[in-house]
Amino acid sequence: DIQMTQSPASLSASVGETVTITCRASENIYSYLTWFQQKQGKSPQLLVYNAKTLAEGVPSRFSGSGSGTQFSLKINSLQPEDFGTYYCQHHYGTPRTFGGGTKLEIK
Amino acid sequence: EVLLQQSGPELVKPGASVKIPCKASGYTFTDYNMDWVKQSHGKSLEWIGDINPNDGGTIYNQKFKGKATLTVDKSSSTAYMELRSLTSEDTAVYYCARNELDFYYFDYWGQGSTLTVSS
Repeated sequence: DIQMTQSPASLSASVGETVTITCRASENIYSYLTWFQQKQGKSPQLLVYNAKTLAEGVPSRFSGSGSGTQFSLKINSLQPEDFGTYYCQHHYGTPRTFGGGTKLEIK
Repeated sequence: EVLLQQSGPELVKPGASVKIPCKASGYTFTDYNMDWVKQSHGKSLEWIGDINPNDGGTIYNQKFKGKATLTVDKSSSTAYMELRSLTSEDTAVYYCARNELDFYYFDYWGQGSTLTVSS
């Protein structure tokens, strides 16, 4: 199975700052990488698919990059509503494994 | 508007089975696969499996083979996941998620069904 490793596990940042979350796959997944945001008590929401394509309605301050085994999600000009937990997931074959999550707290 | 409507919380006894529904609306049910995901309290997400509503074809995570069974009822646009021989390890929130078939990413999720296994 492909293992997905996210870092950091948690981070705290201020409104207006830029943050980057990274995700590493244990083998080449090309660009089959998705990012989700999950808020407490809610279901995950799609942010980015195919590593860099923003889902409909997602603000342009979010951006995804990477291919192969190294990926990142960047959030520019952090907003208060961006708190939550972020997960990466590969969609290259099965099982479709998720990263362990990155909990983002707003200072 | 795409909606995946899941059922409310369930409390079941160890050893029992439960069948969790996911009713789809706002799109053609047979145009997308449906996947299921488990989230134990405070933990990450685990992919359980995938079903093709057209032919009922399924793919399971090896970890959930024998535990989960995925089915669909095309007449009501509802996907189901049955979990059997329940233990406390099955206590979790279970999500259904629509699977976009060109690239296999999950574009819409249900609100989740909370399952508690306790005597």
